[in-house]
Amino acid sequence: EDQVTQSPEALRLQEGESSSLNCSYTVSGLRGLFWYRQDPGKGPEFLFTLYSAGEEKEKERLKATLTKKESFLHITAPKPEDSATYLCAVQAPGSNYKLTFGKGTLLTVNP
Amino acid sequence: NAGVTQTPKFRVLKTGQSMTLLCAQDMNHEYMYWYRQDPGMGLRLIHYSVGEGTTAKGEVPDGYNVSRLKKQNFLLGLESAAPSQTSVYFCASGSHRSPSYNEQFFGPGTRLTVL
Repeated sequence: EDQVTQSPEALRLQEGESSSLNCSYTVSGLRGLFWYRQDPGKGPEFLFTLYSAGEEKEKERLKATLTKKESFLHITAPKPEDSATYLCAVQAPGSNYKLTFGKGTLLTVNP
Repeated sequence: NAGVTQTPKFRVLKTGQSMTLLCAQDMNHEYMYWYRQDPGMGLRLIHYSVGEGTTAKGEVPDGYNVSRLKKQNFLLGLESAAPSQTSVYFCASGSHRSPSYNEQFFGPGTRLTVL
């Protein structure tokens, strides 16, 4: 059974204070690892897909990296508008493109 | 291009009542999914569809039924609502073809309360 564990559950940062969110996973073969952002009262919004160990992707202040067991979402010099819940999900081959989600990390960035 | 839309946005039911949630997508995606999101539980897959006329069970299917009569629509039904079905429901769609390539696009959600 595919499993995704995200840590920490909640993270509070000061504006400009860089940090990382962790997503560890167990899956029978990885088709892709996905990062989403979810604002309160809204649906998840796609950020990145990573396909193989060593891959990295960047978008503004966010950078996602992938190893064979975990992924990190690095946030550099965050701003209050980066406050959201960040969700990690994995997709396995032969799964009909289903995603297995972690419970998310609630990030709060204080001005 | 509206993406994924969900109807209604909010609903309050009494135990035993029935209702249907509607999801529509205008991206010509083959795959559609229904999730529920509860505090501390994350997103859990209820049912999904890999094409028009096909449906399959996800992780938590009990108490729900689905239908995909048209490619662009995916309906989620509750035949006899229970308080345990109080949740936020999200619909998503996706395609294995470029450019979206496995990414799932989510709707804005339906907040359901069962009293």
